[in-house]
Amino acid sequence: AQTVTQSQPEMSVQEAETVTLSCTYDTSESDYYLFWYKQPPSRQMILVIRQEAYKQQNATENRFSVNFQKAAKSFSLKISDSQLGDAAMYFCAYRYRYSGAGSYQLTFGKGTKLSVIP
Amino acid sequence: DAGVTQSPTHLIKTRGQQVTLRCSPKSGHDTVSWYQQALGQGPQFIFQYYEEEERQRGNFPDRFSGHQFPNYSSELNVNALLLGDSALYLCASSLAAGLTEAFFGQGTRLTVV
Repeated sequence: AQTVTQSQPEMSVQEAETVTLSCTYDTSESDYYLFWYKQPPSRQMILVIRQEAYKQQNATENRFSVNFQKAAKSFSLKISDSQLGDAAMYFCAYRYRYSGAGSYQLTFGKGTKLSVIP
Repeated sequence: DAGVTQSPTHLIKTRGQQVTLRCSPKSGHDTVSWYQQALGQGPQFIFQYYEEEERQRGNFPDRFSGHQFPNYSSELNVNALLLGDSALYLCASSLAAGLTEAFFGQGTRLTVV
């Protein structure tokens, strides 16, 4: 079974600074997707960024980028120029790429609560 | 374009009762997944519906059941409620063919007293 571990329950960052959230995962598969979701107090999960395991290039979306280390099974999220609106719970998630038993579900970590200090 | 909508937003039930939660997927999506998020935890997969059938199920008891309608909307039913069923229930929709991005609703906060 796949597992996702987020070892930082809480993090804080000064506005306009950079912060990195950590995530490790365990899987026996070689082809899968990794995601970072943001959950603000409104509760709705919002996709921040997606990484396909077969792509070596790290994904970027504006101020958000990842450091994907497949051999180490590590998937960290870097937020640059942090803004007050970035304050939220951040969840790392895994999903197997292909259809089949056990493939359709997202497996989430426990989350990291990010605070942004003005 | 309407996103994923869930109803109700909040619900209080008594232990032993039954509850039904509802979800309308994002326009164009045909697959609905349900997740349970306990306080301070990440979401846990309950099951997924596609073509009106349960396609995959997580580690949840039979008290949790669901349904998908021809218009792709879905219901989650929980029987014989326990205090431990108190959680945020999230619905996510996606395209079966895409198997990539899931869009989430704002959730239903269920409190069992």
